[in-house]
Amino acid sequence: QLQLQESGPGLVKPSETLSLTCTVSGGSISSSSYYWGWIRQPPGKGLEWIGSIYYSGSTYYNPSLKSRVTISVDTSKNQFSLKLSSVTAADTAVYYCARSGTPIAARPNFDYWGQGTLVTVSS
Amino acid sequence: QSVLTQPPSASGTPGQRVTISCSGSSSNIGSNTVNWYQQLPGTAPKLLIYSNNQRPSGVPDRFSGSKSGTSASLAISGLQSEDEADYYCAAWDDSLNGLLFGGGTKLTVL
Repeated sequence: QLQLQESGPGLVKPSETLSLTCTVSGGSISSSSYYWGWIRQPPGKGLEWIGSIYYSGSTYYNPSLKSRVTISVDTSKNQFSLKLSSVTAADTAVYYCARSGTPIAARPNFDYWGQGTLVTVSS
Repeated sequence: QSVLTQPPSASGTPGQRVTISCSGSSSNIGSNTVNWYQQLPGTAPKLLIYSNNQRPSGVPDRFSGSKSGTSASLAISGLQSEDEADYYCAAWDDSLNGLLFGGGTKLTVL
């Protein structure tokens, strides 16, 4: 059974960079059949797609976050990562990593999700 | 405010059929497939419907999806108490070149 697990600091200071890693187990991140994504959810609010990455490193980002986001993949560790720079309180959210069950970037259907990790931006 | 518009709330009694709408535009729902997610309180979202009307393995056939033009709908028949959750539609937007989520609909089973 595929499992995804987010890890990283739960508290980040304003203006610093948020860094999270998603470790995939029970399957290979190098499969050509899937994209991998990050989605976040501010407390009490809805879902927001951050971006997606293919095992080859091809990425798609939310235009509203693109200038601050970097998503990378490490196939040797079966992990992919998120970096969000210059964070503010508005970036406080539960961050989820997920697998999209299709190799088509424009048809993401996130069928496996991590449990999510709360990241708070505060001094 | 989301580009994909959902009603903020919906409700029904056990056994009833409820529908949740998702309204978009030609650049998203009008030209791409729609997925629906169910998020139970305190848990990660779960894929409920993909490609407009396909159910992943394990999703009861009480859940169905449809799309017409620039709108989509999720229907839940034989409503059960465990269906009480937030529901989100999602679709790729060709103009933004990114994925959009609707604002979410909180379903209450009375």
